[in-house]
Amino acid sequence: QKEVEQDPGPLSVPEGAIVSLNCTYSNSAFQYFMWYRQYSRKGPELLMYTYSSGNKEDGRFTAQVDKSSKYISLFIRDSQPSDSATYLCAMSANTNAGKSTFGDGTTLTVKP
Amino acid sequence: NAGVTQTPKFQVLKTGQSMTLQCAQDMNHEYMSWYRQDPGMGLRLIHYSVGAGITDQGEVPNGYNVSRSTTEDFPLRLLSAAPSQTSVYFCASSLTRYNSPLHFGNGTRLTVT
Repeated sequence: QKEVEQDPGPLSVPEGAIVSLNCTYSNSAFQYFMWYRQYSRKGPELLMYTYSSGNKEDGRFTAQVDKSSKYISLFIRDSQPSDSATYLCAMSANTNAGKSTFGDGTTLTVKP
Repeated sequence: NAGVTQTPKFQVLKTGQSMTLQCAQDMNHEYMSWYRQDPGMGLRLIHYSVGAGITDQGEVPNGYNVSRSTTEDFPLRLLSAAPSQTSVYFCASSLTRYNSPLHFGNGTRLTVT
């Protein structure tokens, strides 16, 4: 079993919809949780970065972490066609955040 | 700022050939790493470095070598290419090894025939 499992998708939604992207994990040592966005033929770029449990909001994006359930989510409000990309969750333990463990990614298409 | 620069963007090799994938960053980042991305397997860590002169193995190091003689550069060497090494390779860096998110290059797409 993988340490990080991500809802596989693909996901297709109409413009303006609320999108929920989810990951579960098994390693209770994970304390840093990240969401990366990857456009086609590009490298991943950091979208959200959170520490421990709770919510973090940045514009239309909200990252949610529930350590008791080992579950993280990324919500996108008022989705736009420019949000069409693959979203990767990533996690790391306290000792070396550079050694992140990634989910396989969820591909999102937002239709105008 | 250029960020993380990878060259070449594309490469085709024959089985048994060797080559070096280049990675350079201009952000004075301490930590650098190499990942490969394959369909259904996500990003997997190959090798990483926590500073000049210090490297270590990641999850899938076999068939690859790295060195880090300067803070800026972290080349990845394929010693004898195999079809199983067909993948997209990403170099990433972060300010420190602790609690710093990764900055990625745009990848090298490698095909081994």
